[in-house]
Amino acid sequence: EAGVVQSPRYKIIEKKQPVAFWCNPISGHNTLYWYLQNLGQGPELLIRYENEEAVDDSQLPKDRFSAERLKGVDSTLKIQPAELGDSAVYLCASSLTGTGGSPLHFGNGTRLTVT
Amino acid sequence: KNQVEQSPQSLIILEGKNCTLQCNYTVSPFSNLRWYKQDTGRGPVSLTIMTFSENTKSNGRYTATLDADTKQSSLHITASQLSDSASYICVVKVDSNYQLIWGAGTKLIIKP
Repeated sequence: EAGVVQSPRYKIIEKKQPVAFWCNPISGHNTLYWYLQNLGQGPELLIRYENEEAVDDSQLPKDRFSAERLKGVDSTLKIQPAELGDSAVYLCASSLTGTGGSPLHFGNGTRLTVT
Repeated sequence: KNQVEQSPQSLIILEGKNCTLQCNYTVSPFSNLRWYKQDTGRGPVSLTIMTFSENTKSNGRYTATLDADTKQSSLHITASQLSDSASYICVVKVDSNYQLIWGAGTKLIIKP
């Protein structure tokens, strides 16, 4: 099966500019996650979708971050405007369900550098 | 507060040697615990899952243990290989709301 696909792989932008990340999950996976990972740290959840519904977005900085998952498949994460502290790796993951013992399958992430 | 702590933060061993990574958690109610391996520049990949009733589970050269009473888990790697160089992350799922509590990981370096 094809894995989780993320793009772009790398992105360098100036502060105050907008940026968007795209994720295509594994076919049939209902649950989709966006994580932020800083160097030497574990992933931090930004938002979790069950199909089209955002069921946990409590850690998403809603003043500058937004996400959508159209038709319960692909997802886009946007930052506007970006700040220096947003430099990190943004990981997308999917799983069959969010409630059981299904493992998360991760993409290789987008490394964002804000200058 | 639900937390997962891993030790050591980093570890360097020689190829062929064994090592053990630790994970302590204060998560309640507990659903399961999973170990992930993350190669540099890649997303994490699941190695094994431990449920409340399981004490030991092996996956090739990886053996995970779980002590639900002391809320500790370990990941033992036997006869290490250069390809084992990676970060190993422990994740605990909360049974009540399905949240995942991630540790910071242990960075393992295998030297030839």
